[in-house]
Amino acid sequence: GAVVSQHPSWVICKSGTSVKIECRSLDFQATTMFWYRQFPKQSLMLMATSNEGSKATHEQGVEKDKFLINHASLTLSTLTVTSAHPEDSSFYICSARVRDHEQFFGPGTRLTVL
Amino acid sequence: DAKTTQPTSMDCAEGRAANLPCNHSTISGNEYVYWYRQIHSQGPQYIIHGLKNNETNEMASLIITEDRKSSTLILPHATLRDTAVYYCIVRPRMDSSYKLIFGSGTRLLVRP
Repeated sequence: GAVVSQHPSWVICKSGTSVKIECRSLDFQATTMFWYRQFPKQSLMLMATSNEGSKATHEQGVEKDKFLINHASLTLSTLTVTSAHPEDSSFYICSARVRDHEQFFGPGTRLTVL
Repeated sequence: DAKTTQPTSMDCAEGRAANLPCNHSTISGNEYVYWYRQIHSQGPQYIIHGLKNNETNEMASLIITEDRKSSTLILPHATLRDTAVYYCIVRPRMDSSYKLIFGSGTRLLVRP
């Protein structure tokens, strides 16, 4: 089956710094990837849709200048949390659309901002 | 916002069938029902999807009522590894965005 990886799996950073999270499709090409955020004991919240070669589409209420998304190739999308603060601490998960009816999800990245 | 309603939690005994209900009373004719699950601290995993007919694959069966207002995901022989949060999601057939909007899901606990 299709495999999606994320790096790093966890990261701790100081408040005010920026953090980059990578999402890779390992054995397929993904024109569309998605970024989600999940707080403890809550459901996944879609943050943005990332399309290769074009600007990402952020969901309402998600600041595009704070959560920068780059989808420079068919196998890599990156999410950069700029000027991170403790309230940005969360589990960030990406997914890649494989076929019309299937998305494969990465294992997630746990971000802790001190 | 999510278009589905699921019980907050359920449990079943290992080896027995787990039947997870989902209410989607406002579903329209061109919307699919998808099921994903999320094991603790992992990314979600696709299980199955359907439009009108019942569906079965190696993981589960999906039973959709005739009026399509509800469905049931069946894990025929639940194992401890099936303990997870199960999400029922409704998505338009012709939605070119392919977005998935997750609701709160059902936390299934499989007991030894």
